[in-house]
Amino acid sequence: GEDVEQSLFLSVREGDSSVINCTYTDSSSTYLYWYKQEPGAGLQLLTYIFSNMDMKQDQRLTVLLNKKDKHLSLRIADTQTGDSAIYFCADRSGAGGSYIPTFGRGTSLIVHP
Amino acid sequence: KAGVTQTPRYLIKTRGQQVTLSCSPISGHRSVSWYQQTPGQGLQFLFEYFSETQRNKGNFPGRFSGRQFSNSRSEMNVSTLELGDSALYLCASSSPGQGDANTGELFFGEGSRLTVL
Repeated sequence: GEDVEQSLFLSVREGDSSVINCTYTDSSSTYLYWYKQEPGAGLQLLTYIFSNMDMKQDQRLTVLLNKKDKHLSLRIADTQTGDSAIYFCADRSGAGGSYIPTFGRGTSLIVHP
Repeated sequence: KAGVTQTPRYLIKTRGQQVTLSCSPISGHRSVSWYQQTPGQGLQFLFEYFSETQRNKGNFPGRFSGRQFSNSRSEMNVSTLELGDSALYLCASSSPGQGDANTGELFFGEGSRLTVL
């Protein structure tokens, strides 16, 4: 990957939907990921989408991919306080033989009652 | 199945010292990557080791080095510490193999938090 950008903060009310957005620049990205980091912990893969898909749903999570605009989003339905964490967008391409994902800076999701 | 284990979890050093961090990957995982996480720069890739060889390297100075042992355990070393090296250092392991058939999921440890005074 080359560059991945995402907004730094998002604040939502419990029960609402959260939408975290991400843009990337590498047009050869094959996989795009969403990782979650809870306080004091490492990152954990939430979900991923292959580049030939435009949507993936997994329980409360919906991932939308717009390859033309190089835009990825993560929607969390019925957001709970336990969803408060930092969410990282990442992309991976095979360009140059490197399969190392490039991470965004992370979006801090704050869920308040 | 045990997860990725990093030691130590916390450490405090002074400028000019050196530090060694350790990472034990998930059993069977041969790829180990290291990342530096800071509030200002986010998550930055340091290097990746596979079968005891450095396979990929990020854009960090030569003070940052690493190695991998035959049992896939990895260490990273930072010499001549600077204040700006204060960060959370994360290790991640993944299953062997490259290519689109491998989703490339990374399994992260909890990190080693380094404070340089």
